[in-house]
Amino acid sequence: TQLLEQSPQFLSIQEGENLTVYCNSSSVFSSLQWYRQEPGEGPVLLVTVVTGGEVKKLKRLTFQFGDARKDSSLHITAAQPGDTGLYLCAAYQKVTFGTGTKLQVIP
Amino acid sequence: GAVVSQHPSRVICKSGTSVKIECRSLDFQATTMFWYRQFPKQSLMLMATSNEGSKATYEQGVEKDKFLINHASLTLSTLTVTSAHPEDSSFYICSAPLGNTIYFGEGSWLTVV
Repeated sequence: TQLLEQSPQFLSIQEGENLTVYCNSSSVFSSLQWYRQEPGEGPVLLVTVVTGGEVKKLKRLTFQFGDARKDSSLHITAAQPGDTGLYLCAAYQKVTFGTGTKLQVIP
Repeated sequence: GAVVSQHPSRVICKSGTSVKIECRSLDFQATTMFWYRQFPKQSLMLMATSNEGSKATYEQGVEKDKFLINHASLTLSTLTVTSAHPEDSSFYICSAPLGNTIYFGEGSWLTVV
């Protein structure tokens, strides 16, 4: 099973701040997904990245896939309390999940 | 996007009994589905891969006789927790792939009393 390491594992920031979450692996993936999960619910897909170096934007969220397709990052600009949740990266080949990043945005 | 639905969303069962959780792909066919377990504040842990028409593939450390998986059709996989114990209480989630993306069910809370 390929291992996906996420960092940081916990993050508590003030509303309006920027943050970046990293997802790293030693394996190469054909695609990688980012999800957000709220307590008691299933993960909701945010984005799928496929091409090395690809950058995708979803409102205040910017996702990047590493050139070698081994890593990815999620950058949130001007975080809002509604961004609070567990962020997970996942790779399809083995549907392996990252260790997760629990984000708390304090109003 | 594609829809995956789980049922029940919450179930309470007595220790020693068995409980079945269903996972359905509502608008697409899935020859493969995945079952996960999630503990509070932790990431999802893959338990097994459910294969339509063949046996499930279990991850290391997951008891296949404890967690019975049946992929009865291209839109339905079931997870049966047999002889449930309180330590089996958890949040169970299924998913199914469509293209290069995985879609998740809403999750099922199991409480064994």
